[in-house]
Amino acid sequence: DTGVSQNPRHKITKRGQNVTFRCDPISEHNRLYWYRQTLGQGPEFLTYFQNEAQLEKSRLLSDRFSAERPKGSFSTLEIQRTEQGDSAMYLCASRPDKGAPSYEQYFGPGTRLTVT
Amino acid sequence: AQSVTQLGSHVSVSEGALVLLRCNYSSSVPPYLFWYVQYPNQGLQLLLKYTSAATLVKGINGFEAEFKKSETSFHLTKPSAHMSDAAEYFCAVRTNQAGTALIFGKGTTLSVSS
Repeated sequence: DTGVSQNPRHKITKRGQNVTFRCDPISEHNRLYWYRQTLGQGPEFLTYFQNEAQLEKSRLLSDRFSAERPKGSFSTLEIQRTEQGDSAMYLCASRPDKGAPSYEQYFGPGTRLTVT
Repeated sequence: AQSVTQLGSHVSVSEGALVLLRCNYSSSVPPYLFWYVQYPNQGLQLLLKYTSAATLVKGINGFEAEFKKSETSFHLTKPSAHMSDAAEYFCAVRTNQAGTALIFGKGTTLSVSS
């Protein structure tokens, strides 16, 4: 396994701009998750894909946020009209579809977003 | 609803001392519990997990945790701290009924002094 990869690792943008992050999960991991982590907090769930289907979205995922996983492989998370409150670390995780529910999620290194 | 509380946002120990990081959970159904570690500017790495097979769970790097249903706790311990253990530690819970997402505590930062 090469691990979960995320790009870019860091992004600085001005308020009001749009940004897009990419996540490449571990090969053959059908389930993909996005989390947001702000300073001093644990990760908070944003959304979840099983293959290309987005099955669950958190209340944290406002209308300015959209996530896709068009071919069931990589995923993108777009934030439109960024606000300073969007500054956070965005984490992606994946796990196999099969296996016990207790199967752990594997996390990527994250994309740190700073909105100025 | 499921939740996790980590008591103590910051724990400091000396090298060689016992490490104890506290985690209490709330769940109306049998939970799956996890401890993750996060080093600066990195993602989360799994230390260990509880899946109901055994109440005492051993993980990587000498860490272990004990599930105590009566106390709704899953505290993380290590007999002897190393400098390399300095990091942030997160306890997380998930259940089948709550969907598939992990619910994390706010984390505990472990500092190790020589």
